[in-house]
Amino acid sequence: AQSVAQPEDQVNVAEGNPLTVKCTYSVSGNPYLFWYVQYPNRGLQFLLKYITGDNLVKGSYGFEAEFNKSQTSFHLKKPSALVSDSALYFCAVRSGAGSYQLTFGKGTKLSVIP
Amino acid sequence: DAGVIQSPRHEVTEMGQEVTLRCKPISGHDYLFWYRQTMMRGLELLIYFNNNVPIDDSGMPEDRFSAKMPNASFSTLKIQPSEPRDSAVYFCASRRFAGETQYFGPGTRLLVL
Repeated sequence: AQSVAQPEDQVNVAEGNPLTVKCTYSVSGNPYLFWYVQYPNRGLQFLLKYITGDNLVKGSYGFEAEFNKSQTSFHLKKPSALVSDSALYFCAVRSGAGSYQLTFGKGTKLSVIP
Repeated sequence: DAGVIQSPRHEVTEMGQEVTLRCKPISGHDYLFWYRQTMMRGLELLIYFNNNVPIDDSGMPEDRFSAKMPNASFSTLKIQPSEPRDSAVYFCASRRFAGETQYFGPGTRLLVL
């Protein structure tokens, strides 16, 4: 079975500071990893994904994530947080070996303080 | 591309009534997924289709829930009869067969009184 853990329900960061939202996963085979963002009263928007290749993946809105196979982690990062980044962030995983089902974490609420 | 389209965006109904949620996936996408989001349980996969055929409905909570996909551009999720504990946001998502990324609709916020 595949699973995702987002250990922090909420992350608070000051505007302009770097931010990190943590994600660890468990999956059989090679992982396909995703980050989505959800703004209030909106659907989930795709941010970035890791399938293969460079461990550092760059995505939308200046976000990036680093795949670490030994630590089974895929943390989301941004060098300088904006107030507009405040939202709910979801990490998701699926196995590259045939499963088409994404398993989502519980989500982390990011609050960027002006 | 218009993205995944869901209707209605909001639905308020009384316990015992039938509720039908609708989804139009992105054109050319072969997979369609229905999710439910609540504060308590997070995002749950209810059912997904491949080429209009239901593949896995193990997430459907009970027989009151049913989903259909009569053609490649339309799917419905029906709750009959509805109960207050069905109150949630229901999302539809789609993806291409050869693609990896799922794209989500804006969701239907359901409130059952």
